[in-house]
Amino acid sequence: RKEVEQDPGPFNVPEGATVAFNCTYSNSASQSFFWYRQDCRKEPKLLMSVYSSGNEDGRFTAQLNRASQYISLLIRDSKLSDSATYLCVPPNPWEYMRFGAGTRLTVKP
Amino acid sequence: GAGVSQTPSNKVTEKGKYVELRCDPISGHTALYWYRQSLGQGPEFLIYFQGTGAADDSGLPNDRFFAVRPEGSVSTLKIQRTERGDSAVYLCASSSSRLGAPTGELFFGEGSRLTVL
Repeated sequence: RKEVEQDPGPFNVPEGATVAFNCTYSNSASQSFFWYRQDCRKEPKLLMSVYSSGNEDGRFTAQLNRASQYISLLIRDSKLSDSATYLCVPPNPWEYMRFGAGTRLTVKP
Repeated sequence: GAGVSQTPSNKVTEKGKYVELRCDPISGHTALYWYRQSLGQGPEFLIYFQGTGAADDSGLPNDRFFAVRPEGSVSTLKIQRTERGDSAVYLCASSSSRLGAPTGELFFGEGSRLTVL
């Protein structure tokens, strides 16, 4: 099993839709996790950081399921500007961040 | 500038040549990371510096890759005898987190796109 697995998509959704991504992981010794957003040919930028089992920020909700070893990102009321690749960074015992391969989201009018 | 700066933004070289990629982190950030990213993949960890020392270099693929950060600020990633498989975007990131603290936000540079012909 890969250390971090993420569905590459693409997810094509209409504006206003709710969409969720999961990211499974192994080798966890911490509870903090992160979601980064990467626009085409740009650098990744932090979307959400979570130091507990979950966090909600506006239309975005991130959750951790330690028993099943996955994290999720839920986007409600999708906007065209949400189109991007979403990179997960699950809990891990090391000092560096391990990124998933990314899930590509396209929100269409 | 206030962000992470990487140079060159693009580098085209021939197989077998030597390449240096430079990263200037955000002032005051003690942690510096190198990642590389191929098309359709997430960033792949290469090496992590805390201050001047390489705290974790387990991601370097082989001994052709080496990185330094002699004064705890600017870092240089060095690739010897480049191969076509080294072609990727090399991303540098810095963070204010301390060793042992939860890794906080990483601030990435725009990357150096390396093409080995």
